[in-house]
Order: sequence, then C-alpha cells, then structure tokens
Amino acid sequence: EAGVAQSPRYKIIEKRQSVAFWCNPISGHATLYWYQQILGQGPKLLIQFQNNGVVDDSQLPKDRFSAERLKGVDSTLKIQPAKLEDSAVYLCASSLNYGTKETQYFGPGTRLLVL
Amino acid sequence: AQSVTQLDSQVPVFEEAPVELRCNYSSSVSVYLFWYVQYPNQGLQLLLKYLSGSTLVESINGFEAEFNKSQTSFHLRKPSVHISDTAEYFCAVSDRGNNDMRFGAGTRLTVKP
Repeated sequence: EAGVAQSPRYKIIEKRQSVAFWCNPISGHATLYWYQQILGQGPKLLIQFQNNGVVDDSQLPKDRFSAERLKGVDSTLKIQPAKLEDSAVYLCASSLNYGTKETQYFGPGTRLLVL
Repeated sequence: AQSVTQLDSQVPVFEEAPVELRCNYSSSVSVYLFWYVQYPNQGLQLLLKYLSGSTLVESINGFEAEFNKSQTSFHLRKPSVHISDTAEYFCAVSDRGNNDMRFGAGTRLTVKP
C-alpha cells in the first residue's frame, strides 16, 4: 500500500513570495489533514478535510494560507504572501474515516525556508 | 482546549537500558491519547494509542504506555532499548467529541552503544 505522498520535499523562497504544497493521501482515505511543524515544536493542525469539505480550519491563518481538496483526493496548501515565521515543515496526513480514534498516516513533509 | 507537555526534550540512554519518556496532558473532559514516532528521515507513524478499556497499551516493538487519569499522564516505557529505537517521540491528546489532536513538543531519544 502506497503511503501519503508530498511534494516538493524542500522549498526555499523569499518573504512575500507565494508557495504551494501538494499532497496525495492513501487511496480510499476520506479524511486529510495539514499540519505545520515549527522547529522544536510538535505538529499543529492547520486544516482538515472530510472528502472535499472543510471540517475544521480554525487554526489556519486565512489572511495568507489557503487549502483545497477539489475532488476529495489530492490537496494543495498555499501560502501567499509568505512571512519569515512560516518557515517550518508542512505535514500532510490522512485517515480512513473522520474522528481522532482513527489512525493518521503521515507523509514525509515539505520543509519550507523563508528568507 | 486540551494540551500536552513532554517533560524531556532529549533523553540519551545506553543500549539495553530501560527508558521512560514522560507525557502529561491537560483536559477538562475524557481524552484519547497517542504516541507517534519519527525515525530519522521518515514521516511520523503511530506507535500506540489509548482509546478505552485497559489502561496499559503496548506496541509491536516492545514499548508500552499507561494511562493514569488521576495524574493526567501517559508515559511511554521500554524495558530494554535498541540502537534502532533512536528517534523523536511525540505524545498527542484529543478530547473525545472533537477532532482536534494536540501534539507535545517531542522527546528525542538517542540510544548509544
């Protein structure tokens, strides 16, 4: 079974530029999550989708971050414009169903450096 | 909202020694508890979880964790560690009834020969 795929693995941009990350969850997984992991901290949930609908985006900085999961499969997370404090690893995870009882499967992450 | 404190940021131990990684949580309601592990250059993966029932849960590679409601703890233990256990370990908590899982800052376990 293929795992969660993410690309790119690394990205370096200058502040005020825009960037996009892509995630392909495990086939058949209904729920998809995006996390931000700043160096020295644990992952922080940004947004979660159930199929192609948003179920929680309360911690997403909506003035600069956006995410979509148009067909209920792949997802993209965008930052526009980026700030220095956005430097972090962005993790995508998926689970078979909705609910935190479900095991989340994580991708390798995208490491973003904003200069 | 719930939160997690991992009391040790780094834990160095020698091979075959016992280890305990500490995790305390705060929540006003019943919780689910998790330990995730991140091996070098790999993604996070679930190690074990407590949902209900027996307060002692075990993983397939010899780790165990015990849910202690009175002390609001979920410490992770292994009686004898291997070099291959070197990794970062994250404790996480979720209130039952919501879908918001909160992670601790992580504990880096380094097993030395």
